[in-house]
Amino acid sequence: DTGVSQNPRHKITKRGQNVTFRCDPISEHNRLYWYRQTLGQGPEFLTYFQNEAQLEKSRLLSDRFSAERPKGSFSTLEIQRTEQGDSAMYLCASSFRTGSNTGELFFGEGSRLTVL
Amino acid sequence: GQNIDQPTEMTATEGAIVQINCTYQTSGFNGLFWYQQHAGEAPTFLSYNVLDGLEEKGRFSSFLSRSKGYSYLLLKELQMKDSASYLCAVRDPRPGDYGQNFVFGPGTRLSVLP
Repeated sequence: DTGVSQNPRHKITKRGQNVTFRCDPISEHNRLYWYRQTLGQGPEFLTYFQNEAQLEKSRLLSDRFSAERPKGSFSTLEIQRTEQGDSAMYLCASSFRTGSNTGELFFGEGSRLTVL
Repeated sequence: GQNIDQPTEMTATEGAIVQINCTYQTSGFNGLFWYQQHAGEAPTFLSYNVLDGLEEKGRFSSFLSRSKGYSYLLLKELQMKDSASYLCAVRDPRPGDYGQNFVFGPGTRLSVLP
């Protein structure tokens, strides 16, 4: 068990370019979440998956953002036509809930995006 | 709507006790979590409450009152390494098979001084 893995860890891009982030959750975890965090703020929910199904997407999320989780394993988050306001840390987290565990989130180290 | 409030910053002295408060208003409730986040790092799980009362875990304790929409995290015998942000999060269930979401507060930045 190597924990939640995200890459790239850092991405610098020019405004208008597309970027894609990848998240590999803990292998037995069926739930996967994407959050965005800016300096001094708490994580802001973007979307989450249960297995391969995208169950919820934040209403604040622009249609430039799309996420997938093919086969219920790794997930990708794509941002099209990036804007400077997209600069943030993108956090991925996974969990596995049963009747007897707490089902807490396990976070990856994050992918930091800088849009110039 | 979803709203979670925490103080923005707190300062305490090494060896002291500090209490970080969290109030919440969410559409549903299925547990309250506290996470610790050091600067530039990922959040790590600290504690969980789903029933009213106090949960103790070494130097850390967390309290929940569901009727008041209130929780606190108590840190005892503060150490310099406790300087971090502390995030309060509520797990908000969804009807049917729509799973659950975690809503985070803004975080409280704690500075421990020598």
